[in-house]
Amino acid sequence: SYVLTQPPSESVAPGKTARITCGGSNIGRKNVHWYQQKPGQAPVLVIFRDSDRPSGIPDRFSGSNFESTATLIISGVEAGDEADYYCQVWDSSGDHRAFFGPGTKLTVL
Amino acid sequence: EVQVVESGGGLVQPGRSLRLSCVASGFTFDVHGMHWVRQAPGKGLEWVGGISWNSGDIGYADSVKGRFTISRDNAKNSLYLQMNSLGPEDTALYYCTRDQSGSWPGNAFDIWGQGTMVTVSS
Repeated sequence: SYVLTQPPSESVAPGKTARITCGGSNIGRKNVHWYQQKPGQAPVLVIFRDSDRPSGIPDRFSGSNFESTATLIISGVEAGDEADYYCQVWDSSGDHRAFFGPGTKLTVL
Repeated sequence: EVQVVESGGGLVQPGRSLRLSCVASGFTFDVHGMHWVRQAPGKGLEWVGGISWNSGDIGYADSVKGRFTISRDNAKNSLYLQMNSLGPEDTALYYCTRDQSGSWPGNAFDIWGQGTMVTVSS
């Protein structure tokens, strides 16, 4: 089993930059993907392979991954960015399995 | 429109079985891996398991291994989840999701359905 850690919550004022972290053993050696989930909605992929953005995702969303921490960065935060954010990796020690972090609730003040 | 639509959820008694289905449209189904992800009420996302494009590789979370079986029918653009020996801990919204790649292990999950709710209760 591969354990990912995320802060339960983060708060940020509109227009500022939000940073949501995802920790795991040697996570810097893995591809990290990030999902946004708003209440009552299905998750949406916002970052894949650490820092790539799917088409349709604003360039305000970016990511980094180094050593033991991956970070989702949302610049110029808007009210509509308020959501739960989950990181996800594949772990190939033994069977190949996917793991999600516990999620971070982002509140826009 | 690229989409996946789940069905088959409902209320089931503990110990019983249920089969979920997912139909894909708007994309070439047989080049993508597919997965099931669940979310218990008020909780986070949990990967249930997945299957490569040609069913050559299938993987499961420890919590469902031996009880759940994933399969696909590329001719019908369909993914299935056979759930046996259900318990209250399996109560969740079950999402069907597309993998960006067809290989195993996969990549990110880029298309999600709206989910189908499974409630295990007597």
